[in-house]
Amino acid sequence: DVKVTQSSRYLVKRTGEKVFLECVQDMDHENMFWYRQDPGLGLRLIYFSYDVKMKEKGDIPEGYSVSREKKERFSLILESASTNQTSMYLCASKVGGAYEQYFGPGTRLTVT
Amino acid sequence: DQQVKQNSPSLSVQEGRISILNCDYTNSMFDYFLWYKKYPAEGPTFLISISSIKDKNEDGRFTVFLNKSAKHLSLHIVPSQPGDSAVYFCAASATTGANNLFFGTGTRLTVIP
Repeated sequence: DVKVTQSSRYLVKRTGEKVFLECVQDMDHENMFWYRQDPGLGLRLIYFSYDVKMKEKGDIPEGYSVSREKKERFSLILESASTNQTSMYLCASKVGGAYEQYFGPGTRLTVT
Repeated sequence: DQQVKQNSPSLSVQEGRISILNCDYTNSMFDYFLWYKKYPAEGPTFLISISSIKDKNEDGRFTVFLNKSAKHLSLHIVPSQPGDSAVYFCAASATTGANNLFFGTGTRLTVIP
């Protein structure tokens, strides 16, 4: 069974703080993704990574950065959190060339 | 610009009846389609998929239909059960490129016992 874990289920941060969201997968997947889910907007891709140290911008990368130093770990960084980044953040991974993505349980981030 | 659209934000169905969830797409390059199911406070889980070379794929109570000419797909759940109550996301991908998924906005299905 594929397992994707995220470091926190719930997180509350203050405006201006630097926030790290961690994602780890245990199936040696090449590709990893970060999405945010907002009501009425579905899942929107923030960043993705094809391989270690490689990253590509998704549809809404502004205000975010990512890091992938090891194959199993993909981190999402909010350099200076803002209230409009309050959202559900979902990490996913997949085998390179496949379609199906496997998702983690999500992190509900609230920025006050 | 939303390339995958789910125009019904919510749907209520009686237990035992058929649930039909609809999805439209605009990009003619999409050739693989997936449905995901999401419970509150959990990540989406893969449900069923279909390639553009088919017009139907069935897995137990779940059937996905694809109408390429209309750029439309639908998910049928028969019979619907209370445990099917969740948000359903349609997703599409094009073989060319990274096989990234484009998601719809989701439809919340409520199955009434």
